[in-house]
Amino acid sequence: DIQMTQSPSSLSASVGDSVTITCRASQTINSHLNWYQQKSGKAPELLIYVAFNLQSGVPSRFRGSGSGTDFTLTISSLQPEDFATYYCQQSYSTPYTFGQGTKLDVK
Amino acid sequence: QITLKESGPTLVKPTQTLTLTCTFSGFSLGTSGVGVGWIRQPPGKALEWLALLYWDDDQRYSPSLESRLTITKDTSKNQVVLTMTNMDPVDAATYYCVRSFRVWLVPFFDYWGQGILVTVSS
Repeated sequence: DIQMTQSPSSLSASVGDSVTITCRASQTINSHLNWYQQKSGKAPELLIYVAFNLQSGVPSRFRGSGSGTDFTLTISSLQPEDFATYYCQQSYSTPYTFGQGTKLDVK
Repeated sequence: QITLKESGPTLVKPTQTLTLTCTFSGFSLGTSGVGVGWIRQPPGKALEWLALLYWDDDQRYSPSLESRLTITKDTSKNQVVLTMTNMDPVDAATYYCVRSFRVWLVPFFDYWGQGILVTVSS
């Protein structure tokens, strides 16, 4: 199985800040990397697919980058609704594995 | 508008078989590139992909659970059913039904059901 490791596991920030979450795959996955946002008590929502493509309706302050084994999710100018848990997920091969999550909370 | 909704028991006993149904609308499982699958999340833990059924009947399973899982579809009813045998307390989780779509042959989960919390206890 491909292991996905996110860092940090948790992150505190303020409204207006810019934050970056990193996701590393245990082997190359090309650009087969997706990002999800999960708010407390809710189902996850797709933010970015195939490393850098913004899902319809997702604000442009979310940006994905990377390829191979190293990927990043950057959120610029944090808004109150962005405080949530973020997961990366690889679609290179089954089983389609997720990272352990990064919880972003208010400083 | 695309929606998915999970249904099934919220409490099962150890060793029993869990049967979950996903009823979806707004898309067809007969459309090329489309799939419906299941992902679970134990309380306070990360997401775990379980199974996926594609429009062409291609079935994919998590190897660690493959012997216990079966995923089937009823295209006429717009339903996908997941069965998991020999349930154990460690299988307690919220089970999500998801739609999978492919871009450049890369699948991703673009629509999720609300989830159903399954408890395993005698």
